[in-house]
Amino acid sequence: DARVTQTPRHKVTEMGQEVTMRCQPILGHNTVFWYRQTMMQGLELLAYFRNRAPLDDSGMPKDRFSAEMPDATLATLKIQPSEPRDSAVYFCASGLVVSGGTGIRNTEAFFGQGTRLTVV
Amino acid sequence: SQQGEEDPQALSIQEGENATMNCSYKTSINNLQWYRQNSGRGLVHLILIRSNEREKHSGRLRVTLDTSKKSSSLLITASRAADTASYFCATGDSGYSTLTFGKGTMLLVSP
Repeated sequence: DARVTQTPRHKVTEMGQEVTMRCQPILGHNTVFWYRQTMMQGLELLAYFRNRAPLDDSGMPKDRFSAEMPDATLATLKIQPSEPRDSAVYFCASGLVVSGGTGIRNTEAFFGQGTRLTVV
Repeated sequence: SQQGEEDPQALSIQEGENATMNCSYKTSINNLQWYRQNSGRGLVHLILIRSNEREKHSGRLRVTLDTSKKSSSLLITASRAADTASYFCATGDSGYSTLTFGKGTMLLVSP
């Protein structure tokens, strides 16, 4: 049963603390997305990796957020220092992008259950 | 920034009725996808339609795509209470193939 696994599911932390969220993408997928979901902004793309290389992190506040893929089985999203406005649900998703005669095509994305972050 | 915009923002219907949700987008796309999110859960992929397709079916779901109008619709036929969820459209661009989501339509199906 292939699925995207995110840890932790819930995190409550104090302002100023470092937060690390982890994601295990589905084996064989070559793309990883990090999204943040809030009532006000909806789903915002924070970072996008293909074959472990970051292709788009323009949606991520660079001064405090960082995203990495140390290996194909782990993606991390760190916030340092955390602020109350970072409170949200953070989703990781993985998918497959294939290149062929018709160009680049992506398939559906599979989402994890999310990490609900509360910064007090 | 959002690429897709769903309409309506909320929809309330009775079981057995059909539900139609619309999505408009701004730039050229490689494909358009619809996802469902139950409260407190992750998103679940429903259906993907490519830019060279006009209509696609999957069970009780029917998706149309009009690239000239930059719009798509999701029709759920014979709705059930279990269909109650938020529905999002997401567009995959023709470059990096990232997925950009709209703000979703909240569907409530009453028994």
